[in-house]
Amino acid sequence: ETGVTQSPTHLIKTRGQQVTLRCSSQSGHNTVSWYQQALGQGPQFIFQYYREEENGRGNFPPRFSGLQFPNYSSELNVNALELDDSALYLCASSLFTGAREQYFGPGTRLTVT
Amino acid sequence: DAKTTQPPSMDCAEGRAANLPCNHSTISGNEYVYWYRQIHSQGPQYIIHGLKNNETNEMASLIITEDRKSSTLILPHATLRDTAVYYCIVRASNNAGNMLTFGGGTRLMVKP
Repeated sequence: ETGVTQSPTHLIKTRGQQVTLRCSSQSGHNTVSWYQQALGQGPQFIFQYYREEENGRGNFPPRFSGLQFPNYSSELNVNALELDDSALYLCASSLFTGAREQYFGPGTRLTVT
Repeated sequence: DAKTTQPPSMDCAEGRAANLPCNHSTISGNEYVYWYRQIHSQGPQYIIHGLKNNETNEMASLIITEDRKSSTLILPHATLRDTAVYYCIVRASNNAGNMLTFGGGTRLMVKP
């Protein structure tokens, strides 16, 4: 059984650009959540996808959007990048929405210059 | 979900028990206590959770006070690999979503 994987590991973007981050859920997991973790802080919930629909969102602007595909892999898209978007982006999958245990990937480190 | 309060950092000697406290004085009756940890350069890892009874698994024990206003995560024999940030999270059982509200956590340093 493979765990949650994310790509790329690191990337550098310029302010105003757009970025797409990718996540492959653990096998059999139909729910994926995305978190943003600024340096020295705990992760902050961005949104959750269940069966290709967004069904929960944290306090993030609409320029943060996502997709979930039929194989339950997921993308996080961020438009009009700002310097404060520099962070570690984590995805987590679970067997179903509301499951007790979530499995996190290693994250993508985004630097916006 | 209720807020939690944890000490920002703690030290523990290798081989000794690490006791990590967490206050959640505003916890509601339907809210569980979860613990996750994050080792440097990795994503958070689930450790354990409980409602009101003490819980134990292969990683740790969770002791919840009778009034449920605080809890303690116990790593019985800490190793250097247990050095990590430990997050105490309170989450409602009817939270159909997966949102976890992370605070600042406790940075545990296990020393030789």
